[in-house]
Amino acid sequence: EAQVTQNPRYLITVTGKKLTVTCSQNMNHEYMSWYRQDPGLGLRQIYYSMNVEVTDKGDVPEGYKVSRKEKRNFPLILESPSPNQTSLYFCASATGVHQPQHFGDGTRLSIL
Amino acid sequence: AQSVTQPDIHITVSEGASLELRCNYSYGATPYLFWYVQSPGQGLQLLLKYFSGDTLVQGIKGFEAEFKRSQSSFNLRKPSVHWSDAAEYFCAVVQYGNKLVFGAGTILRVKS
Repeated sequence: EAQVTQNPRYLITVTGKKLTVTCSQNMNHEYMSWYRQDPGLGLRQIYYSMNVEVTDKGDVPEGYKVSRKEKRNFPLILESPSPNQTSLYFCASATGVHQPQHFGDGTRLSIL
Repeated sequence: AQSVTQPDIHITVSEGASLELRCNYSYGATPYLFWYVQSPGQGLQLLLKYFSGDTLVQGIKGFEAEFKRSQSSFNLRKPSVHWSDAAEYFCAVVQYGNKLVFGAGTILRVKS
């Protein structure tokens, strides 16, 4: 089954404790992206990747890092999380940016 | 910067009534436009997309959207709403630099 898998689905942690949210897709997609969803703001793009070893900032990259060492994986790293990063995060993949995105089920992060 | 505006935060319609969700974008070139739907607790699912050609596009679940360049709009419509259509709907446009920009979303409530 074609899917985008995010882990964990839920996480409560404390300020400053490094965390990684993993994202994996099994569709051989070149384009992958991370979004955060906040009430009233819709989804905002954090980072995206056009292919392996190619990443670029979206609209809200501050406080986040990503890497794309393999085509299927695109982890999101919060090196020093802060409460304003409490949000619902989605990973997505597509054959290209102009193609429909396939979304994961989301990761709800709470930073205390 | 390019943007997407969904003027209605909430819309309530009666089951069986027609529906129109509004979306306006600001973008200089011919846009790549999408509508996604998000059911509670789930990721986003593509309803339909517009890239070029016929300005009236058909999607899944009986939805359609019309691209109007003169009005910079891409409104989503359905002739008869079902209770299962209650969800949040997002319009999105591909921006310069391979970014995908979402509107803030419209929450649809269906009353019986």
